[in-house]
Amino acid sequence: EIVLTQSPDFQSVTPKEKVTIACRASQSIGYALHWYQQKPNQSPKLLIRYASQSLSGVPSRFSGSGSGTDFTLTINGLEAEDAATYYCHQSSSLPHTFGQGTKLGIK
Amino acid sequence: QLQLQESGPGLVKPSETLSLTCTVSGTSISRTNYYWGWIRQTPGKGLEWIGNVYYTGSTNHSPSLKSRLTISVDTSKNQFSLRVTSVTAEDTAVYYCTRQLAVPGSPVEYWGQGTLVTVAS
Repeated sequence: EIVLTQSPDFQSVTPKEKVTIACRASQSIGYALHWYQQKPNQSPKLLIRYASQSLSGVPSRFSGSGSGTDFTLTINGLEAEDAATYYCHQSSSLPHTFGQGTKLGIK
Repeated sequence: QLQLQESGPGLVKPSETLSLTCTVSGTSISRTNYYWGWIRQTPGKGLEWIGNVYYTGSTNHSPSLKSRLTISVDTSKNQFSLRVTSVTAEDTAVYYCTRQLAVPGSPVEYWGQGTLVTVAS
């Protein structure tokens, strides 16, 4: 089973700040890494697919990068509505697995 | 607009069977190229992939649950289902039904709203 480790677990950030969340895979997964945002009492929402592909309807301040074992989610110019927990997910091999989550708080 | 809606008992006794159904609306479950799946979430273990099913009935399962798990599809009702036998408190979670392209490496595009299942006597 591929283990995904996110860092940090929690971050408190000021609006307009740049945020980076890392996700490291225990073995190479190519580009089969996706990012989700989950707000309280909501289901996760797909933000970035295949490591760096943006999605329609997702604000352009969200971007992703990386391949192989190391990936990054970047939020350029954090907004208050971005307070949420962010998860990475690998679908390179079964069983699919998720990172433990990074909770973003707004100062 | 695709919608996924989980339904089933919110409380299950230990050692009994957890059964959930996901009703799909806005598209046919028989459309090719999609996996219909289940993911659960707990405060302790986070998001856990359970497994998925293709409209033909072909399935993929989590190894940790495989011996207790059945995922099936009913194309006539546009539904798919999850059964977990011999449940314990560790199976207490929010259960989501999902849709994913049946292409290697694809993300989970759609999630249901989730349903909390508590295992307790």
